[in-house]
Amino acid sequence: DIQMTQSPSSLSASVGDRVTITCRASQGITDHLAWFQQKPGKAPKSLILGASSLQSGVSSRFSGSGSETDFTLTISSVQPEDYATYYCQQYNSFPYTFGLGTKLEIK
Amino acid sequence: QVHLQESGPRLVKPSETLSLTCSVSGASLSDSRYYWGWIRQSPGKGLEWIATNSHSGGAYYNPSLKSRVAMSVDSSKSQFFLRVNSVTAADAAVYFCARETFSSGRTAYDIWGQGTTVTVSS
Repeated sequence: DIQMTQSPSSLSASVGDRVTITCRASQGITDHLAWFQQKPGKAPKSLILGASSLQSGVSSRFSGSGSETDFTLTISSVQPEDYATYYCQQYNSFPYTFGLGTKLEIK
Repeated sequence: QVHLQESGPRLVKPSETLSLTCSVSGASLSDSRYYWGWIRQSPGKGLEWIATNSHSGGAYYNPSLKSRVAMSVDSSKSQFFLRVNSVTAADAAVYFCARETFSSGRTAYDIWGQGTTVTVSS
């Protein structure tokens, strides 16, 4: 199975800060990488597919980059509604696997 | 607007079978642009892929669960289903259904159901 390692596991940021979350795959997955946002008690929301393609309706302050094994999710200017847990997921091969998440908290 | 809704029992006894339904509105399960899947989330294991079904190509299962799970699709009812046999406490989780869209030749989740919490207890 492909292991997905996210870092950090949590971070604190103030409104307006620029935030970067990293995700590393244990083997190359080309661009078959998705990012999700999840708020407590809610389903994950798809933010980015294909490592960098923003889903319809998602704010342009979110961006993704990377390929093969190293990926990043960046929030250019954190807003109050962005406080949540973020997950990466590889869909290059079965079994699909997810990172353990990065919890973004208010500083 | 596409909407997915999970339904099924909230409480299942150990060794029994868990059966869940995902009802889809606003999209056709026979649309070849999409696959359909199940994922679960528990405090101990995080997010875990369970199964994916292409309406024409059959189902793919997580090897860790393969011997106990089955997924099926009924396009006429706009529903797909998950069955997990011989449940244990380890199967307690929030179960999500989701739509998978093609992205660079693979499929990725673009729309999720709200999830349903399943407890395993006698």
